[in-house]
Amino acid sequence: DTGVSQDPRHKITKRGQNVTFRCDPISEHNRLYWYRQTLGQGPEFLTYFQNEAQLEKSRLLSDRFSAERPKGSFSTLEIQRTEQGDSAMYLCASTRGDHSPLHFGNGTRLTVT
Amino acid sequence: DAKTTQPNSMESNEEEPVHLPCNHSTISGTDYIHWYRQLPSQGPEYVIHGLTSNVNNRMASLAIAEDRKSSTLILHRATLRDAAVYYCILSNQAGTALIFGKGTTLSVSS
Repeated sequence: DTGVSQDPRHKITKRGQNVTFRCDPISEHNRLYWYRQTLGQGPEFLTYFQNEAQLEKSRLLSDRFSAERPKGSFSTLEIQRTEQGDSAMYLCASTRGDHSPLHFGNGTRLTVT
Repeated sequence: DAKTTQPNSMESNEEEPVHLPCNHSTISGTDYIHWYRQLPSQGPEYVIHGLTSNVNNRMASLAIAEDRKSSTLILHRATLRDAAVYYCILSNQAGTALIFGKGTTLSVSS
């Protein structure tokens, strides 16, 4: 069990640039979640995949955000035209099924200058 | 999902038991109670979960009140590595995302 892997660990970008993050879940896990966390707050849900299907999206996920999970394996989260308010830790989690524990990666910290 | 209420912070001494409370007065019969913790600079980590009966694992125990309107996470002997934010979360629909609150920040002193 290599755990959930996220890349990069840190990303600094200028306002208006596009960024893409990658998440590699635990291999047998068919459910994958993206969360965002700002300082002093708990993680906020963004979106959720069952295999390759994106089943739920939060209202937090503006049209500048898009997520994919081709072939039901790794997932990418892209933010277009970044804004300073997008600065946060982006967390990915995976699980094998109903009420099974979520396994989180250590996140990608995004700083928009 | 039903809401949970946790104290903002708690303090403990090393090697003493810690009881972290969680109130969930609007819990439904199908809501599971989940506990996660988050150490500094890491993603959240699963601790324990249960539905009605008390649960034990190698990390902690979960004591669920008979009316299920509250629960307590018990760390039997706190260590410095247990200093973290502890989240109590309810979920009643398989597959839907867990919704995190602000949790309880646990400090452990030597």
